[in-house]
Amino acid sequence: DIVMTQTPLSSPVTLGQPASISCRSSQSLVHSDGNTYLSWLQQRPGQPPRLLIYKISNRFSGVPDRFSGSGAGTDFTLKISRVEAEDVGVYYCMQATQFPHSFTFGPGTKVDIK
Amino acid sequence: QVTLKESGPVLVKPTETLTLTCTVSGFSLSNARMGVSWIRQPPGKALEWLAHIFSNDEKSYSTSLKSRLTISKDTSKSQVVLTMTNMDPVDTATYYCARYVVVTAILDYWGQGTLVTVSS
Repeated sequence: DIVMTQTPLSSPVTLGQPASISCRSSQSLVHSDGNTYLSWLQQRPGQPPRLLIYKISNRFSGVPDRFSGSGAGTDFTLKISRVEAEDVGVYYCMQATQFPHSFTFGPGTKVDIK
Repeated sequence: QVTLKESGPVLVKPTETLTLTCTVSGFSLSNARMGVSWIRQPPGKALEWLAHIFSNDEKSYSTSLKSRLTISKDTSKSQVVLTMTNMDPVDTATYYCARYVVVTAILDYWGQGTLVTVSS
């Protein structure tokens, strides 16, 4: 199975400042169909996960444009341009390239306010 | 409006079998563009994918838990059922079901989750 790693695991940020999370996969996430099925999810405290970004850089419906995704192959990044209080939570990257064999999630990065 | 809602026991004993139900609305389990997955999250830990069922009844399971899991669906009731045998305290977790969209390979809608505690 593909292993997903994230850095940092904890990210204290100042309100209004940017934040960046890296995600790395143990093998390329480029599917045989040419797409890269890498998503980012946000989990606010006490809430279920929420889809933010799919196929590396596509924002899901209703996601603010301060969230952006980039990357290719095995290295991916989620950026928050200006952190707001409602962005506190844990962020997970997830690969679906190997699906239906498996989905794999990263360990999560906790974002909180300094 | 798409919703998913998990239901099942709050507490199970070690060695017992867990049965969870995911009731969906706003889409049909017969829609070829959709599927439903189960994912779990132990307290304070990361997400772990468990199982998936497609509209054509094709199933997929986590390699590490495959021997203990069974997923099924009742399209007429809009329900997806997950059973996990031989429960252990390490299986204590919040169990989520989520909708999968085939074309984009995303889990776009999630239920609120149900916390299952395994204890004697």
